[in-house]
Amino acid sequence: RKEVEQDPGPFNVPEGATVAFNCTYSNSASQSFFWYRQDCRKEPKLLMSVYSSGNEDGRFTAQLNRASQYISLLIRDSKLSDSATYLCVVRHPGTYKYIFGTGTRLKVLA
Amino acid sequence: DGGITQSPKYLFRKEGQNVTLSCEQNLNHDAMYWYRQDPGQGLRLIYYSQIVNDFQKGDIAEGYSVSREKKESFPLTVTSAQKNPTAFYLCASSIDTTGGEQYFGPGTRLTVT
Repeated sequence: RKEVEQDPGPFNVPEGATVAFNCTYSNSASQSFFWYRQDCRKEPKLLMSVYSSGNEDGRFTAQLNRASQYISLLIRDSKLSDSATYLCVVRHPGTYKYIFGTGTRLKVLA
Repeated sequence: DGGITQSPKYLFRKEGQNVTLSCEQNLNHDAMYWYRQDPGQGLRLIYYSQIVNDFQKGDIAEGYSVSREKKESFPLTVTSAQKNPTAFYLCASSIDTTGGEQYFGPGTRLTVT
């Protein structure tokens, strides 16, 4: 089993739709979680950190479910510019390692 | 304007040649990292450095070498011993290695023929 797993997609959604991605992680001791966005042939860019209480940034909401060991990303009112690959990243406590998922590809259609 | 720079953006080399990829940051971050990304795969850690003059192997260090002589700079050398060097190389930094977000440079796309 991979340490961080994501559905590769693609998720094809119309503009204005709400879409959600999940990411599961295997190490129950993990404490830091992040969502990154990566455009084709570009570097990953931090979208948001995921806190225990959940957090929201405009149209984006991230949640952490420790009991089931997954994090989620919800995008409301999707824009064409949201089309990208979304990477889930988990950091083990007290280590240097960030574990990256392979990403979920989102296509927002006009 | 703070950030991480990598150069060059594209690099072409013949098999058997060593090549050095540059990474510079002005974020005053202690920790720096090198990853490689292959199509359809997640990022894989090559080397990381917690502090000047110290660095550690990551998951796929064979065929690579690094140095950390200055806080701002963490160059990666891809040696001829690396079996499949063609990839997208990403440098990242974080304020330290104990937690917090990583920030990435724009990457170098290396093609070896």
